[in-house]
Amino acid sequence: QQQVKQSPQSLIVQKGGISIINCAYENTAFDYFPWYQQFPGKGPALLIAIRPDVSEKKEGRFTISFNKSAKQFSLHIMDSQPGDSATYFCAAGSYNTDKLIFGTGTRLQVFP
Amino acid sequence: ETGVTQSPTHLIKTRGQQVTLRCSSQSGHNTVSWYQQALGQGPQFIFQYYREEENGRGNFPPRFSGLQFPNYSSELNVNALELDDSALYLCASSPRQGADNEQFFGPGTRLTVL
Repeated sequence: QQQVKQSPQSLIVQKGGISIINCAYENTAFDYFPWYQQFPGKGPALLIAIRPDVSEKKEGRFTISFNKSAKQFSLHIMDSQPGDSATYFCAAGSYNTDKLIFGTGTRLQVFP
Repeated sequence: ETGVTQSPTHLIKTRGQQVTLRCSSQSGHNTVSWYQQALGQGPQFIFQYYREEENGRGNFPPRFSGLQFPNYSSELNVNALELDDSALYLCASSPRQGADNEQFFGPGTRLTVL
């Protein structure tokens, strides 16, 4: 019940295309859903996060779509750039838990 | 504003040894969480410290222990190292306890156990 399932495992996108990464969770107590970007040899960096009171949040080229009834959320990267090539992790947490539960990661490669 | 820093960057130990990893939290943050990230995997929660007390623990054995100091910096200690302990150890600080607020990660310590 604590799992966060992430797909796809890897993604190849042409420059300028849209990258879409999906996550699903089971625990309805989760109320905080961040996305992290991680480059090789670096720690994860918070990209964007959403709470269940909204269905979408946009920051620049990055958008989170959230479907509470389906217990799913996704990251959309518009106009993908080679510099976006990294591993992306979704995660879930709540106030009364101590930990973020991470997905297994998606390795994104954007080719020119 | 200084971000989360960790030391050392890399560490090589042999099986059975003990290791101490260090983390300085971001200014204004009183909560530190430690995660283990095996190669190709997502981070796995080890424990969280809030105001010098352990606030929660993941599925890790007691040989993983920690401390938080009055300045909110933290240490992760691992005794009796095993080969499977080889991983990137990440420290994350946040402005309050719980897992519903922003956690800022440090660059990690890469531990290799031979």
